[in-house]
Amino acid sequence: EIVMTQSPATLSVSPGERATLSCRASQSVSSNLAWYRQKPGQAPRLLIYGASTRATGIPARFSASGSGTEFTLTISSLQSEDFAVYYCQQYKNWPPYTFGQGTKLEIK
Amino acid sequence: QLQLQESGPGLVKPSETLSLTCTVSGGSISSSSYYWGWIRQPPGKGLEWIGNIYSSGSAYYNPSLKSRVTISVDASKNQFSLKLSSVTAADTAVYYCARQNMYGYCSGATCHTPFDHWGQGTLVTVSS
Repeated sequence: EIVMTQSPATLSVSPGERATLSCRASQSVSSNLAWYRQKPGQAPRLLIYGASTRATGIPARFSASGSGTEFTLTISSLQSEDFAVYYCQQYKNWPPYTFGQGTKLEIK
Repeated sequence: QLQLQESGPGLVKPSETLSLTCTVSGGSISSSSYYWGWIRQPPGKGLEWIGNIYSSGSAYYNPSLKSRVTISVDASKNQFSLKLSSVTAADTAVYYCARQNMYGYCSGATCHTPFDHWGQGTLVTVSS
């Protein structure tokens, strides 16, 4: 099973500033990685697939990079709706598909 | 517009079987392009993939739950279902159904397969 580790667990950033979230895989997943945002009380929403491609309707302030075992999600100019929990997920080796434990992005 | 909706009891007794159904609207569950999955989230915790099913009925499960899980599909009703047996308090969670898109995100010979549509989730509490 591939273990996904996200850091930090909590990130405090002011609105309008940039946030950088990290995700590490216990073994290479190539570019088979997705990022999701989960607002309180809601289901996760797909942001990024293929490690760096924005999903339909996702604004350009979201960018992502990485391959192999190290991945980054960057949100430039944070908006109020961006303060949420973010999860990475690998879909290279399954079963099982595995998620990171999440990074909570909170208002500083 | 594709929508997924979970339904089922919100309270299950320990040792009994949890049963949930996901109804898909705005698209066909029989499409060859998708897998249909269940993912759960204990209160205040992260996401755990439970299993997937294809329209043909082929199912794949998380090894950690495999002995207790059955996922089935009813194409005539555009639904798929989850059964989790011998539940304990550790199975208390919000249960989501989701669509995994197998061919919608392809470039050349490479296809990416994220979960691109999710239901709103339903909380199932295991308690006597």
